[in-house]
Amino acid sequence: QQQVKQSPQSLIVQKGGIPIINCAYENTAFDYFPWYQQFPGKGPALLIAIRPDVSEKKEGRFTISFNKSAKQFSLHIMDSQPGDSATYFCAASVKTSYDKVIFGPGTSLSVIP
Amino acid sequence: ETGVTQSPTHLIKTRGQQVTLRCSSQSGHNTVSWYQQALGQGPQFIFQYYREEENGRGNFPPRFSGLQFPNYSSELNVNALELDDSALYLCASSSGLRRASGTDTQYFGPGTRLTVL
Repeated sequence: QQQVKQSPQSLIVQKGGIPIINCAYENTAFDYFPWYQQFPGKGPALLIAIRPDVSEKKEGRFTISFNKSAKQFSLHIMDSQPGDSATYFCAASVKTSYDKVIFGPGTSLSVIP
Repeated sequence: ETGVTQSPTHLIKTRGQQVTLRCSSQSGHNTVSWYQQALGQGPQFIFQYYREEENGRGNFPPRFSGLQFPNYSSELNVNALELDDSALYLCASSSGLRRASGTDTQYFGPGTRLTVL
């Protein structure tokens, strides 16, 4: 119930390609879905986030698509660049007495020139 | 950069020892959460502090404890270290402004890499 599933585990695309990372959840109480980008040796950095009342959100080259009925959401990276090579985590959180963020297992993205 | 800092950067301890990790929150943030990230996995929630009180905890034993200070800096203490405690420990701060209406965005520090031998 508290899990967030994420696929694929790893992804290799050529520069300019559009990598897509998919996530799914079970807990309908989740009310916030952030994506984090993590470079080796660094902490996760917030990339983009969406709430379940919105079906799509774009910020620069990053787009989240959200399907509330299917309990699925995905990240698309337009015109991917070698500098986008990193690990991407989808996450979900629910408002209880505290903000508990549940992370997916991560996708390692490599963008080759 | 998020403005969240952590110290030390790296730490090596032996099994059975105790360790204290430190975190300085982003200015204006009164909420701090601690996470454990094992190699190749996503961060796992340890606990959260809000205005110096622990107000949520994940599936971690009591030997993981914390403190939050009046300036909202924070400590994570781990007693009786085990080999499986080797991980990147992350703190994340949030503003607490959305507490009434929804979850806050959490901003992560760079982490402390703990190795237990």
